Amino acid sequence: AQSVTQPDIHITVSEGASLELRCNYSYGATPYLFWYVQSPGQGLQLLLKYFSGDTLVQGIKGFEAEFKRSQSSFNLRKPSVHWSDAAEYFCAVGYSIYNQGGKLIFGQGTELSVKP
Amino acid sequence: EPEVTQTPSHQVTQMGQEVILRCVPISNHLYFYWYRQILGQKVEFLVSFYNNEISEKSEIFDDQFSVERPDGSNFTLKIRSTKLEDSAMYFCASSGGGGVLGTQYFGPGTRLLVL
Repeated sequence: AQSVTQPDIHITVSEGASLELRCNYSYGATPYLFWYVQSPGQGLQLLLKYFSGDTLVQGIKGFEAEFKRSQSSFNLRKPSVHWSDAAEYFCAVGYSIYNQGGKLIFGQGTELSVKP
Repeated sequence: EPEVTQTPSHQVTQMGQEVILRCVPISNHLYFYWYRQILGQKVEFLVSFYNNEISEKSEIFDDQFSVERPDGSNFTLKIRSTKLEDSAMYFCASSGGGGVLGTQYFGPGTRLLVL
């Protein structure tokens, strides 16, 4: 069965430090991978997505993620964290039946806190 | 920037009561979704909807749940007889394209508490 694991429930980093949020997936076919961010009171906002091609994908707000098939991972990175990055981050894998549906399977989420 | 909106933001109801959660998807989108997140658990897919019918639904989406697009702008989730375990944050999403290739835009959620 398809699943997504985010091993870190909560991470704290200092402002200006680099960030890596981990995501591992279990999926039999070619995965479609996503990272979403949720700020308090807001909906889930798409940061970036991977469908095929270059395994390093760039997203909004200076984030990037690297797809590693051999490790079944899609880790999210940012070289220098800003206080406004404090939020909850969700990794998700998508697939569709008959090219409809578009069901997303989410990880547990990682809450990011940023120290001044 | 267009966004998905949801009402109400919070709802408290008694067990056994019916609730209707409302969503206004992005205006030119054709694919609609409901997800939920029980406190401390993962965001879970409930149902997808296209062309006035359900495309896919999860095991959670039993006969107590229904979805409807009553007019050209709203998309609703009805829970016929709420249970305590229905307490969760419910997210609506919409996309312009079908399948996984259509980016899903999420609303801010409705927090439902069943007492």
